[in-house]
Amino acid sequence: KQEVTQIPAALSVPEGENLVLNCSFTDSAIYNLQWFRQDPGKGLTSLLLIQSSQREQTSGRLNASLDKSSGRSTLYIAASQPGDSATYLCAVRPHTGGFKTIFGAGTRLFVKA
Amino acid sequence: GAGVSQSPSNKVTEKGKDVELRCDPISGHTALYWYRQSLGQGLEFLIYFQGNSAPDKSGLPSDRFSAERTGGSVSTLTIQRTQQEDSAVYLCASSLEGVVSNYGYTFGSGTRLTVV
Repeated sequence: KQEVTQIPAALSVPEGENLVLNCSFTDSAIYNLQWFRQDPGKGLTSLLLIQSSQREQTSGRLNASLDKSSGRSTLYIAASQPGDSATYLCAVRPHTGGFKTIFGAGTRLFVKA
Repeated sequence: GAGVSQSPSNKVTEKGKDVELRCDPISGHTALYWYRQSLGQGLEFLIYFQGNSAPDKSGLPSDRFSAERTGGSVSTLTIQRTQQEDSAVYLCASSLEGVVSNYGYTFGSGTRLTVV
């Protein structure tokens, strides 16, 4: 059974710092991995989608990597800003278990001005 | 539409009443998912629709929960005889699906349900 773990559960950093959020998954048989952002009381906004054949994706100050063989992904945020404060969720699309994407519990990020 | 639309955005209901939550997916997206997120918890899968196939209902927590998708587009999640533990944010997502499942999800803003 696929399980997704995100570490740390919460993170507080000063503005301007570069930071890395970690995601690990137990079964490497996945179609893709997606990083989302969730603001309090809101839905999920897709940040980056990495296909299983890809190693990384970049969007602005965000860079996500995927190492499928080791079951790991990282989300790198450069020059963090207070507006980056949110919960970041990692989700994988496994080959088995139907089409249900499996979500991690998220990392709650707080960027201090 | 341009995004996934959910209504209402907020719903307060009395215990024992029935509620209907609506999701309008992105035009052309064949797959539609319902998830539930309780306070401080992760996302819990509820149900999945793909085209004309039978839905995957394996995540529905009880027979008080049901969902339908009419004409392969709009979906309605119905909760009968609501209980306080049903209070949560109900999120809908849609996705393009094909022979392979390599598309990502687009989520709506959710419906916050409060049962009093």
